[in-house]
Amino acid sequence: DTAVSQTPKYLVTQMGNDKSIKCEQNLGHDTMYWYKQDSKKFLKIMFSYNNKELIINETVPNRFSPKSPDKAHLNLHINSLELGDSAVYFCASSPGHFPEAFFGQGTRLTVV
Amino acid sequence: DAKTTQPTSMDCAEGRAANLPCNHSTISGNEYVYWYRQIHSQGPQYIIHGLKNNETNEMASLIITEDRKSSTLILPHATLRDTAVYYCIVSVLTGGGNKLTFGTGTQLKVEL
Repeated sequence: DTAVSQTPKYLVTQMGNDKSIKCEQNLGHDTMYWYKQDSKKFLKIMFSYNNKELIINETVPNRFSPKSPDKAHLNLHINSLELGDSAVYFCASSPGHFPEAFFGQGTRLTVV
Repeated sequence: DAKTTQPTSMDCAEGRAANLPCNHSTISGNEYVYWYRQIHSQGPQYIIHGLKNNETNEMASLIITEDRKSSTLILPHATLRDTAVYYCIVSVLTGGGNKLTFGTGTQLKVEL
């Protein structure tokens, strides 16, 4: 079983569209994250949720809206997609106070 | 979070120990040292972490200097599968999870 799974793996869409990326973890972790890796390979945190509560919200345009329906899911919805949103988005989870984060395989978003 | 400095790239012969250095001279007393790696096109993978003492697990050893201003990740018998970008991160451990700030890392290339 995949510990942290993201769908879709690849997403190609036009500017201005709205899209969602889904993430699910079956590890029973309390905390989930979204990270963005840009074309220069810099990996930056976007959001973290702990028990469905938003904990970390980095300087991210409000076009990006995370939604956590339950502890096992953290979805990322992006409105009005722009060319600069093209990146690989990684979902991750960790067991709260423990330092080990498990990452998904990433979603490569290409905005054309 | 304290900043880290790592060499851009390193080479290692297969079967030899790979020693990856990291400087974190501004680390504060409650910050841990974490190591992650990212194999091409995959999500980051946790390797090891430590606060003050040296640590060892099935993947690697972490040596932290007494003043905590630098550390070394040791892969005792590197294999071709260890070729990856290795990230040294320092961060506090919070109840809401960990804000991992990834730098540029060290590209380790293991060769025959």
